[in-house]
Amino acid sequence: EAGVAQSPRYKIIEKRQSVAFWCNPISGHATLYWYQQILGQGPKLLIQFQNNGVVDDSQLPKDRFSAERLKGVDSTLKIQPAKLEDSAVYLCASSSQGFEGNTIYFGEGSWLTVV
Amino acid sequence: AQSVTQPDIHITVSEGASLELRCNYSYGATPYLFWYVQSPGQGLQLLLKYFSGDTLVQGIKGFEAEFKRSQSSFNLRKPSVHWSDAAEYFCAVGARNFGNEKLTFGTGTRLTIIP
Repeated sequence: EAGVAQSPRYKIIEKRQSVAFWCNPISGHATLYWYQQILGQGPKLLIQFQNNGVVDDSQLPKDRFSAERLKGVDSTLKIQPAKLEDSAVYLCASSSQGFEGNTIYFGEGSWLTVV
Repeated sequence: AQSVTQPDIHITVSEGASLELRCNYSYGATPYLFWYVQSPGQGLQLLLKYFSGDTLVQGIKGFEAEFKRSQSSFNLRKPSVHWSDAAEYFCAVGARNFGNEKLTFGTGTRLTIIP
């Protein structure tokens, strides 16, 4: 079974530039998550999709971050304009039906450095 | 709101020694509890999870964890560590709210293994 795919793996941009990350979840997984992991901290949920609808984006900085999941499959997370404090690993994860009997699978992450 | 505390930022143990990583959670209902491991440059891998039933949970790679409701704890243990266990370990609590499920992570414990 193929895992959660993310690209690009590494990105360096200057502040005020824009960047986009792509995620392809495990086939058939209805739920997709984007987490932000700042160095030395645990992952923090940015946004959660159920199919192509948003179910939780309470911690997404909407003035600069946006995310979409077209057709309930792939997802894109965009940052525009980037700030220095956005330097982090952006983890995409997916799951099929929820906690019981299921697992949330994580991708390897997209590492962003803003200079 | 749910939260997780991992009091130990960094732990060093000798190869072959036993290991215990501490995790305390805060959640108003019966929690879903998880331990994930993250190797350098990698995504998160699920070690084990607790939903209900037996409070001693077995996971992959020889890890186990014990849920203690009275102490709000879910400590991770391994009787004999291997050099390959060196990684970052994250405890997480899962909350179900109106059918939406999300994970809240602790800040992690970095494990170093010395020969």
